[in-house]
Amino acid sequence: AQTVTQSQPEMSVQEAETVTLSCTYDTSESDYYLFWYKQPPSRQMILVIRQEAYKQQNATENRFSVNFQKAAKSFSLKISDSQLGDAAMYFCAYRSPIWTGGGADGLTFGKGTHLIIQP
Amino acid sequence: DGGITQSPKYLFRKEGQNVTLSCEQNLNHDAMYWYRQDPGQGLRLIYYSQIVNDFQKGDIAEGYSVSREKKESFPLTVTSAQKNPTAFYLCASSIAAVMVVDTQYFGPGTRLTVL
Repeated sequence: AQTVTQSQPEMSVQEAETVTLSCTYDTSESDYYLFWYKQPPSRQMILVIRQEAYKQQNATENRFSVNFQKAAKSFSLKISDSQLGDAAMYFCAYRSPIWTGGGADGLTFGKGTHLIIQP
Repeated sequence: DGGITQSPKYLFRKEGQNVTLSCEQNLNHDAMYWYRQDPGQGLRLIYYSQIVNDFQKGDIAEGYSVSREKKESFPLTVTSAQKNPTAFYLCASSIAAVMVVDTQYFGPGTRLTVL
């Protein structure tokens, strides 16, 4: 079974600064997907960014980018130019691809990192 | 607007009662999922369904039941056998197609409290 570890229960950053949230995972699979979800106080889970393990290029979405290190099984999220609206819980998640039969198992989540934005 | 709806937003249950949480999606997704979230924890998978009239247990299925009679709907029943049902429940759906990044999209959640 796969496991996902987020070692930072809470992080704080000044508005407009850059912050990096860490995530490590354990798997024996060679193909998989990784996701970062944001959960604001409304508690709605919102997809931030996703990465396919077979792609060497790191995914980017506007101010959000990842540093995917497959050999190290590390998947960190970098938020540039932090804004007050970025304050939320951030969850790292793992998913097996459908064709391995593991996709039906749903996502495996870390315990989350609470991100605080200081004005 | 396409999306996932969950109702009710808040639900209170007396001990010994069964309650049903609703989840509906109009995204034409084949797969649907139920997760449970406890304070300080990530989400844990309760049940999932990849096709109508078929569903599978997740990691914490004991005390829960589901049905999938329609593609759009995946209700979750919390039975009296669930010993600690107070939690936040999230429903999700995905395309579940091979050879694509199968991203799950979430509903707004239901907060269940046992009195």
